[in-house]
Amino acid sequence: EIVLTQSPGTLSLSPGERATLSCRASQSVSSNYLAWFQQKPGQAPRLLIYGASSRATGIPDSFSGSGSGTDFTLTISRLEPEDFAVYYCQQYGSSPLTFGGGTKVEIK
Amino acid sequence: QVQLQESGPGLVKPSETLSLTCTVSGGSISGYFWTWIRQSPGRGLEWIGYIYYTGTTNYNPSLKSRLTMSLDTSKNLFSLELTSVTAADTAVYYCARGEGWFGGQYDPWGQGTLVTVSS
Repeated sequence: EIVLTQSPGTLSLSPGERATLSCRASQSVSSNYLAWFQQKPGQAPRLLIYGASSRATGIPDSFSGSGSGTDFTLTISRLEPEDFAVYYCQQYGSSPLTFGGGTKVEIK
Repeated sequence: QVQLQESGPGLVKPSETLSLTCTVSGGSISGYFWTWIRQSPGRGLEWIGYIYYTGTTNYNPSLKSRLTMSLDTSKNLFSLELTSVTAADTAVYYCARGEGWFGGQYDPWGQGTLVTVSS
């Protein structure tokens, strides 16, 4: 089973700043099948990025994903008030599918 | 647009069976992986497994011995049964539509339902 480690655990930033979130896999993720999700309190997660770098439908271009192999990054170029949330990565290249522990982006 | 809604008991006794249903509205079952995911403070997000629209299943090995998923295409719903539950199965359970490799691109999700295992 692939273990995903997200860092940092919490990121304290101000609106307008750039956020860089990391997701590291314990082994290479097949074909870069890595997704990112955003979750706000009381809500289900929402798909942001799939295939490491493809934005899901309706996701603004302020969100971008990059990386390959074992190291992946989610970047939010300019934080809007609605972007403060918890972000999870998930690999779907091998079964069982696994999630990271999450990074909370909070208002500084 | 497609919407998913979980339903089932919010409280299950230890050693009994947890049964949940996810009703799909606004779209067809065909062509997708119908997935269950759970979330708890102690275990985070955990992939439970999926049932493909053809009926093929893929379960998390950690739950496989206790898990059954089924599909009812006539009613546009799919279901989960987890036997011999313990407190460790207490979680918010989500259903989701998946596509892509192993159906790992989940969109949309249901709103989630809290299931508590307690006597």
